[in-house]
Amino acid sequence: RKEVEQDPGPFNVPEGATVAFNCTYSNSASQSFFWYRQDCRKEPKLLMSVYSSGNEDGRFTAQLNRASQYISLLIRDSKLSDSATYLCVVNMRTDGNKLVFGAGTILRVKS
Amino acid sequence: DAGITQSPRHKVTETGTPVTLRCHQTENHRYMYWYRQDPGHGLRLIHYSYGVKDTDKGEVSDGYSVSRSKTEDFLLTLESATSSQTSVYFCAISEGVADGYTFGSGTRLTVV
Repeated sequence: RKEVEQDPGPFNVPEGATVAFNCTYSNSASQSFFWYRQDCRKEPKLLMSVYSSGNEDGRFTAQLNRASQYISLLIRDSKLSDSATYLCVVNMRTDGNKLVFGAGTILRVKS
Repeated sequence: DAGITQSPRHKVTETGTPVTLRCHQTENHRYMYWYRQDPGHGLRLIHYSYGVKDTDKGEVSDGYSVSRSKTEDFLLTLESATSSQTSVYFCAISEGVADGYTFGSGTRLTVV
């Protein structure tokens, strides 16, 4: 089983749609969780951290379910500029300061 | 981000030659990492450093070595390049895992 698993997509959605991505992780002792965004041929960039109570940043909402070892990202009112690959990222507590990256979910927002 | 730069941005090299990629940071972060990214595999950790002269292997370290003689520089060397090492290489920095990583712009390496 992969340490971090994501649905690769692609998710093809119209502008204005709401879309949700899911991610599962294998290590129940993981402490830090993130969503990164990666544009084509660019470096990954931090989109948002994921907190236990859930958190929101504008149109983006992240949720964490520790019991199910599950992370989600909800994007409301999708924009063309949201088209990218979204990476689920988790630290593996047993490996100290290292993060493990999911393979990513591709989002394509179309007009 | 301006705080982390990778060089070169692109390189084509021949099989069997040594290659060194450089990562330079101005953030004074303790941790530095080298990843490679390939289609179907996502980001895979090659080596990382938790301080000057302190380095350790990641999941795909065979054929690679690293050095960190100064806080700001982390070098990745392909000892004898092979075609399987054709990839995009990303360097990342971090002050602590709770803060996430900041990535450099990447180096596209082609081994012919």
